[in-house]
Order: sequence, then C-alpha cells, then structure tokens
Amino acid sequence: EAQVTQNPRYLITVTGKKLTVTCSQNMNHEYMSWYRQDPGLGLRQIYYSMNVEVTDKGDVPEGYKVSRKEKRNFPLILESPSPNQTSLYFCASSLQSPDPGLETSSTDTQYFGPGTRLTVL
Amino acid sequence: GQQVMQIPQYQHVQEGEDFTTYCNSSTTLSNIQWYKQRPGGHPVFLIQLVKSGEVKKQKRLTFQFGEAKKNSSLHITATQTTDVGTYFCAVRWTYKYIFGTGTRLKVLA
Repeated sequence: EAQVTQNPRYLITVTGKKLTVTCSQNMNHEYMSWYRQDPGLGLRQIYYSMNVEVTDKGDVPEGYKVSRKEKRNFPLILESPSPNQTSLYFCASSLQSPDPGLETSSTDTQYFGPGTRLTVL
Repeated sequence: GQQVMQIPQYQHVQEGEDFTTYCNSSTTLSNIQWYKQRPGGHPVFLIQLVKSGEVKKQKRLTFQFGEAKKNSSLHITATQTTDVGTYFCAVRWTYKYIFGTGTRLKVLA
C-alpha cells in the first residue's frame, strides 16, 4: 500500500532533550516536506527536500534540522526542543518537486503522513 | 513573502445547506490546491486548479480559480455530515508550499 509513515505518533518530552521524528514513504517520491500545524495558523512548512542530499528551509525552520540520506526517509530533528515547538507535525511527499517554470503538474499532489503530536514540557 | 488569506475561519451549517470557503492572494498564482482534513486526521488532496477561470466539479464540490488567478473558492452544495472537517487551500511558491489557515466546517444534523 502506498503510504507515508511517521513515528512516533505521540510524544511527550522535556525541554532540551533531543528527539527525532521519522518519516518514510514507499512511493519513490522525490519531494518531501515537514509541516507543523497550530490552531489558527494552518500548516506551515518547516523544511523541504527536493531529492537525496538536497534540503532547504521552509517558512518556519528555526529550531529544526533535517537530513535526506536516502530517498525514502526524511527525519525531523529537534536538537533542543522548547515548549513553543509543541505542535502537530506532518510529513508529506510528492512525486516531483514543484517546478516554478511549470504551470501545472499532476506530480504536485502531496501525500501526508498520519501526523505526530509533540508536547514539550 | 507569499501569503494566502482564507475565509471564513469557521462555518457552522445545517445539514443540507450550502458552504463556501475562499482563498485570496495579493499576487498572481501559478496554481492552487485544495485539501480536506477530517477531525483527527491528516490533509488529503482534493484537487488542483491551474487555468484562469477554471471550474472543476467533484460530485457536490465545485472548485473555482479566479480570472486573475489571485483567488479561489470551494463550494459544497447540500452539505452532509461526512463533509465535516477543515478545508485548506495551498499554493506553490518557488519550491515551497504555502497553506491557507483553513476553514473549519461543522455540519449540524
């Protein structure tokens, strides 16, 4: 079954304790993203990756790191979590990177993982 | 940077009533996507619009892209309890995606 998986689904941690949220997709997608969802703010992109070893900042990258060593995996790392990183996190993937030069592409469809609810005390 | 305004933030309707959510941008968009997120779930892709004035239908859902490609709407005819959830628009901006803040729809039976 084609899917995006995330682990853990729920996590309660304390300030400053490093953590990693894993994301994996089995669709051979090139483009992967991390989003955080907060009430009233919608989904905000944290980081994205256009392919292996190619990552870049989204709109809210502060306090986060990512890596893309393999095509299928895109972990999100919080080196020193703080309470303001308490949020619902989603990983997403799409077949190809959005191309600013192209008006349309069916490869833009993003598939989201089930989400990780993180609480930092 | 690019921003997308989505209204309303909340909408409560009686089952059978219509519902519309709007997304507006100050700049011309290359395309716009719509997603639905059920309570406790994850966003699920509904549709993508790319052409000026484009109208697409999916059963009771009608999606429109404005002539100037600066706004879009999602209209649901005769809402059902299965329509409950949050509807998001999303736009491409260079290699990023910008989401609207979402419209949370509640359908009262």
